[in-house]
Formats: sequence, structure tokens, C-alpha cells
Amino acid sequence: KQEVTQIPAALSVPEGENLVLNCSFTDSAIYNLQWFRQDPGKGLTSLLLIQSSQREQTSGRLNASLDKSSGRSTLYIAASQPGDSATYLCADHIIQGAQKLVFGQGTRLTINP
Amino acid sequence: NAGVTQTPKFQVLKTGQSMTLQCAQDMNHEYMSWYRQDPGMGLRLIHYSVGAGITDQGEVPNGYNVSRSTTEDFPLRLLSAAPSQTSVYFCASSSHPARLFYEQYFGPGTRLTVT
Repeated sequence: KQEVTQIPAALSVPEGENLVLNCSFTDSAIYNLQWFRQDPGKGLTSLLLIQSSQREQTSGRLNASLDKSSGRSTLYIAASQPGDSATYLCADHIIQGAQKLVFGQGTRLTINP
Repeated sequence: NAGVTQTPKFQVLKTGQSMTLQCAQDMNHEYMSWYRQDPGMGLRLIHYSVGAGITDQGEVPNGYNVSRSTTEDFPLRLLSAAPSQTSVYFCASSSHPARLFYEQYFGPGTRLTVT
């Protein structure tokens, strides 16, 4: 059974710092990996999708990497801003009969001005 | 495009009542799904559909029914609400899994409380 772990559960950093969020998974037979952002009381906003054949994806100040052999993905946020404060979730796309997502518990990020 | 929409945003039910959570998407996506989000449990798949007329169970289907009569709509029915169904419910959609690239899009959620 696929398990996805995100460490740390919470992270607080001063504005302007570069930071890395970690996501690990137990089964390397994933199809894709997707990073989401969730603001308090809101839905999930897709940030980046990495296909299994790719190693990384970039969007603005965000860069996500994928290493299937080690079962790890990272989300790099450059020059953090207070508006980046949110919970960040990673999810594996698995094909087990049909497509489904297996989510990590998330990392709650706080950027202090 | 409105994307994925969900109604209602909030709902309070008494134990034993029934209700339907609505979900619609205007992206012509074939795949739609329902997740529930609970503290400490993360998001878990309830039911999913790969196209009109086709539905299947996810990880936690008990107490919920779904149907898919159109591509656009995928309602989730609670037959007899229980306090254990207190949760935030999210609907999601994406292109059919047979296609190479299928990003998942989520709705804003429905916060349900069962007393």
C-alpha cells in the first residue's frame, strides 16, 4: 500500500529565505506526482505536476523535483514571501484499477515578515 | 471557465438525515472523484468515475452513493448521516487517465457537520 510522508509537519521561516519541503513515498511505481497548496478553509490549488519520466518542473519561484529511485520529491521555494504561507500537500498519482491520488499529511508553512 | 464548483459550502445535518453534495465541472473532464479531508487522516478517496455511467468505490465508500448521468456532474449522496461523516468534502476532476498528462483540479470544498 502506497504511503506518502511529508516532513516537517510545520515550518516557520523569515521572509526572503529559500526553503525546501520534503515528500517521500514507499512505492516507486507512481505515475505522476503533484504538489498542491491549501489555504486555511479553502480548496486545493495545483502548483506543479511532475510526470514519472521527468525529474523536475518549474513555475516562477517554485521548483519541484522527483527521484523515483529514492522515493522522494522536493518542493523548493525561492525568496519566500508572507503570501506563501499555507499548507503544502504532495500527492502520488497511482494507477490501481484507475487513477487515484495518495496524499501526504502536508507541511504547514509560515513565512514571517 | 468556472472550473470545479461545489455546493453547498457549509452544511449541518442531524444524525440520520440524508443529503446530496453537488459537484460540477465545465472542463469536459472524464474523470471525477470525491475525497474527504479529516485532521490526522489527510485526504482519502471516497468514490470516483471515469466517465458518464461509470462509477467505482475508493478507500472509504461506506455510507456514500454516487451516480454520473452527465460528464459535467458528479453528486455525492449521504444516505443516513452519521457523526463520523463530519468532514470537509472535496470534488476533483481531470482528463481521462489514458491520456499522458492529467493534472487534478479541486473544488473549494463542502464543510459538513453531523450532530
